[in-house]
Formats: sequence, C-alpha cells, structure tokens
Amino acid sequence: SAVISQKPSRDICQRGTSLTIQCQVDSQVTMMFWYRQQPGQSLTLIATANQGSEATYESGFVIDKFPISRPNLTFSTLTVSNMSPEDSSIYLCSVEGQGTDTQYFGPGTRLTVL
Amino acid sequence: KNQVEQSPQSLIILEGKNCTLQCNYTVSPFSNLRWYKQDTGRGPVSLTIMTFSENTKSNGRYTATLDADTKQSSLHITASQLSDSASYICVVSRTRQGNMLTFGGGTRLMVKP
Repeated sequence: SAVISQKPSRDICQRGTSLTIQCQVDSQVTMMFWYRQQPGQSLTLIATANQGSEATYESGFVIDKFPISRPNLTFSTLTVSNMSPEDSSIYLCSVEGQGTDTQYFGPGTRLTVL
Repeated sequence: KNQVEQSPQSLIILEGKNCTLQCNYTVSPFSNLRWYKQDTGRGPVSLTIMTFSENTKSNGRYTATLDADTKQSSLHITASQLSDSASYICVVSRTRQGNMLTFGGGTRLMVKP
C-alpha cells in the first residue's frame, strides 16, 4: 500500500490569490494524479503528473490555472491560481499501487475561496 | 459517452441491517471496476477491484458483484455498522493505469442506531 499525506489539510483564501498544495508519498511512484471534488460531487481528474515531464491535463483544466510540479518520485505540488469562489473544492492527490490496480488517495485539501 | 451511474443517491438504514448499492456503466473499453468508500473529510479507500472475468469479490462485510454482460455491479453490505456511514463510489477503469477512470456520483449511506 501507499501512504499519502497532503498539506495543508484545509485553507480559506481570498479571491485572486493562489494556493499551493503539497502531496508526499511514502514510496516512489511513477504516476501521480490530482483530482478535484466539488461539494456533493464525485471526483474529477485534473491532471496526471509524471516525474521529469510536464503534467498532462484533462479537458477543462489548463496549466496556467493549475500549474503542477513533480520534482521527484515521491512528491508533487498543485497550485490553484487566481482563485475564485468556484474553485472551492476538495483537492486530492492519488497514486497507483506498485504492481496492482489499486489507486490510493490522500486525505484531501479542503479549499474555501471567499 | 463513458458514464457510471449509481443508485440510490442516498440511503438510510438501521444498524445491523443489510443493504445493496447499484452501479451501471457504459464505459468502453473495460479493464476493471472498483468500489471505494469515502468517509466525510477523507480520501476514498479501495474496497474491491474486479476484472472482466470476476463476478464476485468480498472484503469482510462488503461483497461486490459484477455482470460484465449487462454492465452492472452491486455492492452488498452485510450487518451494517455505524462506521459504514460514508459515500460509496463506483469507478470503472478503461486501462490498468489510473488516468482512465470514470467515477460514479456515489451513494451516501447513513447507518442509524
């Protein structure tokens, strides 16, 4: 299994500011995923982050709004830029288990934008 | 269009009772189907994963079934406990990799004493 931690666990931010969310995994993984879960909704994939290459973004998400870093095989950051109240969501980091199809999720970062 | 639909949206049951959650999907191609439990304020935790050839899999009091012909799955919870109160999410994967997942909207289960 993989143990994933995220920082911060929650934050309240002002419109127009940016927040960087950190994701740390206890083992080396090739692919890391960032998801958004809006209130009362299920998860939506934002992007896939591979170490050493640019992140791959899903339709509707762009790098200028959600820049991602992946400096090594155990760490990634997601920045939510120029925030608006519509960005209020839970942001989750996820990894694939090595040699399995199981996907492990971090505890999430609950973001509220005022 | 790849879709995963779950029913019911929400469910309230008494402690000790059984319940069954449903999942219908139109995802293609199909690699595997996963059920996750998500406690409030936490990330989803995997309960079961089933491939095309598997039609039932258990994890303690949780039993998942899969009918790949009709593209339906169910999650049966036996002898429910208060700690089972959570959202249950059905996820269908088009490949073994995690970037081809289609998530259902979830079923919110509340178990009352």
